[in-house]
Amino acid sequence: RKEVEQDPGPFNVPEGATVAFNCTYSNSASQSFFWYRQDCRKEPKLLMSVYSSGNEDGRFTAQLNRASQYISLLIRDSKLSDSATYLCVVSNQAGTALIFGKGTTLSVSS
Amino acid sequence: GAGVSQSPSNKVTEKGKDVELRCDPISGHTALYWYRQSLGQGLEFLIYFQGNSAPDKSGLPSDRFSAERTGGSVSTLTIQRTQQEDSAVYLCASSDRGRIQETQYFGPGTRLLVL
Repeated sequence: RKEVEQDPGPFNVPEGATVAFNCTYSNSASQSFFWYRQDCRKEPKLLMSVYSSGNEDGRFTAQLNRASQYISLLIRDSKLSDSATYLCVVSNQAGTALIFGKGTTLSVSS
Repeated sequence: GAGVSQSPSNKVTEKGKDVELRCDPISGHTALYWYRQSLGQGLEFLIYFQGNSAPDKSGLPSDRFSAERTGGSVSTLTIQRTQQEDSAVYLCASSDRGRIQETQYFGPGTRLLVL
């Protein structure tokens, strides 16, 4: 089983749509969880950390289910500028580095 | 302020040659990470430096790969006797104190192509 698994997509949605991405991770010892965003041929940038209680940042909502080892990201009212690859990221067991999923590609069209 | 910088931005080399990739982290950041991203693959952790502690080299794929960080700032990743499978984007990141909860700020990467 891969350490972090994501549906690669692509997800093609119209502006204004709500879209959800899911991710599973294999190491139950992981303690920190994130969503990063990567634009084409650019470096990854932190979108948001993910907390057990769930957290929201504007149109973005992240959820964590430790029992199921499952992370989600919900984007409401999609904008053209949301088009990117979304990377699910968890910490390694030692807490020294990040383990990245391959990413889910989102394309928002007008 | 200035972000993480990397050089060169692109490098083309012949199989068997050695290459050096440079990373200049955000000033004051004590933690520095190297990752690589191969085509169609996720980012793969290579090595982690935190202050004066011994680096975590657990992600280095072979003994052809090595890295050093001089003076707690600039880091160099060296790949000896390059192979075609080394072709990838090599990304450097830094964070304030190396706590895993912190944001890692990535540089633009070095695109390495081994012919």
